[in-house]
Amino acid sequence: GQNIDQPTEMTATEGAIVQINCTYQTSGFNGLFWYQQHAGEAPTFLSYNVLDGLEEKGRFSSFLSRSKGYSYLLLKELQMKDSASYLCAVRDQDYKLSFGAGTTVTVRA
Amino acid sequence: IAGITQAPTSQILAAGRRMTLRCTQDMRHNAMYWYRQDLGLGLRLIHYSNTAGTTGKGEVPDGYSVSRANTDDFPLTLASAVPSQTSVYFCASSETGDTGELFFGEGSRLTVL
Repeated sequence: GQNIDQPTEMTATEGAIVQINCTYQTSGFNGLFWYQQHAGEAPTFLSYNVLDGLEEKGRFSSFLSRSKGYSYLLLKELQMKDSASYLCAVRDQDYKLSFGAGTTVTVRA
Repeated sequence: IAGITQAPTSQILAAGRRMTLRCTQDMRHNAMYWYRQDLGLGLRLIHYSNTAGTTGKGEVPDGYSVSRANTDDFPLTLASAVPSQTSVYFCASSETGDTGELFFGEGSRLTVL
């Protein structure tokens, strides 16, 4: 099974940078995902890491260290629309995705 | 618009009633999933199907059943609803292999009284 931990809440100022950490323990690692979920909406895909290192996609970057069971999502140049819940998810060898409880990010003006 | 359609969007039902949540995708994805989302617990996998004709149990399968008669449809049935099944239910699909990102439906909000 999977044990996935991420902070419950984070607050940051518009234009700033926020880093959301995720640690996991897994029996059979086959990729790590980050999803964004606005209140009342479905989750949407942000990023995917299967090898160690940094994946950059515009204002969002995701990092993975498989040996440490650790990932982070970096949000740069924060905008008000980035206020949402960010979900860390780990995929196992059977292609099942297990999610952390999510980190609610609030962006303040 | 291609994607995943769930029905109903919202439903209130009495405890003990039978309920089926419908899910249809038109992306021809192999794999489909049902999750429930509860405050503070995040998304938890109920059942999944890696291909038509096969299903598997997730983290919280008790009280739920699924079928996968074809590629497009993956209904979730609550045989006898209980209040603890009050939740938001999300259906998702993906291609196995490559990135395999999940595409989610808009969710079904279920209240069991």
